[in-house]
Amino acid sequence: AQTVTQSQPEMSVQEAETVTLSCTYDTSESDYYLFWYKQPPSRQMILVIRQEAYKQQNATENRFSVNFQKAAKSFSLKISDSQLGDAAMYFCAYRRGSTDKLIFGTGTRLQVFP
Amino acid sequence: NAGVTQTPKFRVLKTGQSMTLLCAQDMNHEYMYWYRQDPGMGLRLIHYSVGEGTTAKGEVPDGYNVSRLKKQNFLLGLESAAPSQTSVYFCASRTLGKQFFGPGTRLTVL
Repeated sequence: AQTVTQSQPEMSVQEAETVTLSCTYDTSESDYYLFWYKQPPSRQMILVIRQEAYKQQNATENRFSVNFQKAAKSFSLKISDSQLGDAAMYFCAYRRGSTDKLIFGTGTRLQVFP
Repeated sequence: NAGVTQTPKFRVLKTGQSMTLLCAQDMNHEYMYWYRQDPGMGLRLIHYSVGEGTTAKGEVPDGYNVSRLKKQNFLLGLESAAPSQTSVYFCASRTLGKQFFGPGTRLTVL
């Protein structure tokens, strides 16, 4: 069975600094997708970034980028120039390509200090 | 375009009571999902639907039933609520690999 592990329950960063959130996953599949979702206090789940396993290039969305290490089954999220609005729970998620089910990690709470 | 909406936003039930959560989407998506989120855990899939009239079990389906009579609506039912079903429930719909989530329903079962 596929699993997603986020080993950092909480992280903190100073405004304008860079922070990296870790995620590892376990799968025997070759076709899959990885995601980072942000959940602010409003509870709304917001897609931050997505990575296709077949793509070697790391995905980037403005200040958000990933370090996708397929052999190590690692998928970390880097937030550059952190802003107060980045404070939220961040969830790593996995989806097998041929099915539709998202499997979530337990989340990392990110605090941003001014 | 309202996206994914959920009704109600909050609800308190007594053990043994029944209720239905409504999820609606106006994006014409085929796929819809119900998740629950418990403290210290990620979202877990309860049931999902790949189209009107179809439903399938997810990771934690026990104690829940669903129906997808109309493409835009996905209902989650609790026939006899238990305290273990206290949680935040999220609905989502999907297109082209992107899932769109509703704002969640906080359910407390006393």
